[in-house]
Amino acid sequence: AQSVTQLDSQVPVFEEAPVELRCNYSSSVSVYLFWYVQYPNQGLQLLLKYLSGSTLVKGINGFEAEFNKSQTSFHLRKPSVHISDTAEYFCAVSEKGTGNQFYFGTGTSLTVIP
Amino acid sequence: ETGVTQSPTHLIKTRGQQVTLRCSSQSGHNTVSWYQQALGQGPQFIFQYYREEENGRGNFPPRFSGLQFPNYSSELNVNALELDDSALYLCASSPPFGVSYNEQFFGPGTRLTVL
Repeated sequence: AQSVTQLDSQVPVFEEAPVELRCNYSSSVSVYLFWYVQYPNQGLQLLLKYLSGSTLVKGINGFEAEFNKSQTSFHLRKPSVHISDTAEYFCAVSEKGTGNQFYFGTGTSLTVIP
Repeated sequence: ETGVTQSPTHLIKTRGQQVTLRCSSQSGHNTVSWYQQALGQGPQFIFQYYREEENGRGNFPPRFSGLQFPNYSSELNVNALELDDSALYLCASSPPFGVSYNEQFFGPGTRLTVL
């Protein structure tokens, strides 16, 4: 069975400071990894995804994430955050070959302080 | 290109009632998945439909059921509603091939409140 752990439920950070949101997963098979963002009262928007290849993945809005297979992690980073980055962030995993069934973490609430 | 749409936006029901939520997948997408997102939690996988057949189910009781139609739109039905069913219900669609094959595209959700 798969599980996704987002280690920080809330992350406050000052505007223009760097941020890292942590995600660890457990799975016995190869996986695809995703980060989604959710603004209040909205659905989920894809930030970035890792399917294969380079372990450093770049996404939208200046976000990037690094897949570390040995540590089963997929941490999200941004070098300089903006007020508009305040939102809920979800890490998700799906097993290769199982038909796109996603398993999500419990989310990290990022608050950017002016 | 129209994205995933869901209806209604909000819904209030009472315990024991039945509810039907609807989802129109993104053009060209033949797989639809449904998720339940309780307040303060991550989305939980309910089930997935591919070509009108259920293609995987999460840990939800049988009173959660679904349908997929030939145009790939989908319905989620919940019978005998319980207070804990109050949540945001998200629908997501996936394309059959291409660079976004392994991705899920989410709709805005339906907020269900059970009183």
